[in-house]
Amino acid sequence: DIQMTQSPSTLSASVGDRVTITCRASQYINTWVAWYQQKPGKAPKFLVYKASSLESGVPSRFSGSGSGTEFTLTISSLQPDDFATYYCQQYNSPPYTFGQGTKVEIK
Amino acid sequence: QVQLVQSGAEVKKPGASVRVSCKTSGYTFNIYRITWVRQAPGQGLEWMGWISVYSDKTYYAQNFRDRVTMTADTSTNTLYLDLTSLRSDDTAIYYCARDHFQGGSSPHDYWGQGTLVTVSS
Repeated sequence: DIQMTQSPSTLSASVGDRVTITCRASQYINTWVAWYQQKPGKAPKFLVYKASSLESGVPSRFSGSGSGTEFTLTISSLQPDDFATYYCQQYNSPPYTFGQGTKVEIK
Repeated sequence: QVQLVQSGAEVKKPGASVRVSCKTSGYTFNIYRITWVRQAPGQGLEWMGWISVYSDKTYYAQNFRDRVTMTADTSTNTLYLDLTSLRSDDTAIYYCARDHFQGGSSPHDYWGQGTLVTVSS
């Protein structure tokens, strides 16, 4: 199975900060990466696919990049609604494994 | 609009089985695969497998292969997840999620609200 390793596990930031979350795959996965946002008690919300394509309706302050084994999710200016846990997922080959999550909390 | 509505919470004893349902609406039922993902309390997301109604195929992650069955009822546009020989570490929220792309490798765009399954003696 492909392992997805996210860093950091927890990130403390303030409103307006630029935030970057990193995800590393254990083997080459081209750009077959998605990102999700999850708030407590809610299902994950789909943000990004194919490493850098923004899902319809997702604010433009979110962006994804990377290819091969290194990927990033960036929030250009953190908003109050963005405090949540973020997960990467590879869909290069099943099982489509997730990273362990990065919790973005208020500094 | 696309909706996935799951069945209610379940409490089961160790060794028992559970069935979770996922009723879909708002799109052509048999075009998109449905994936099941679970989340233990305070933990991350664990991908369990998918079902393709179109091709009548399933794929189960190795961790679940001997205990899980995913099925579909095309008359009611409902998917089912059956998990047998329950253990305490199967306590989790179980989600169904629709694939974003039709066929092939895909992430998941629409999610059910989740079903809490508690396994306790």
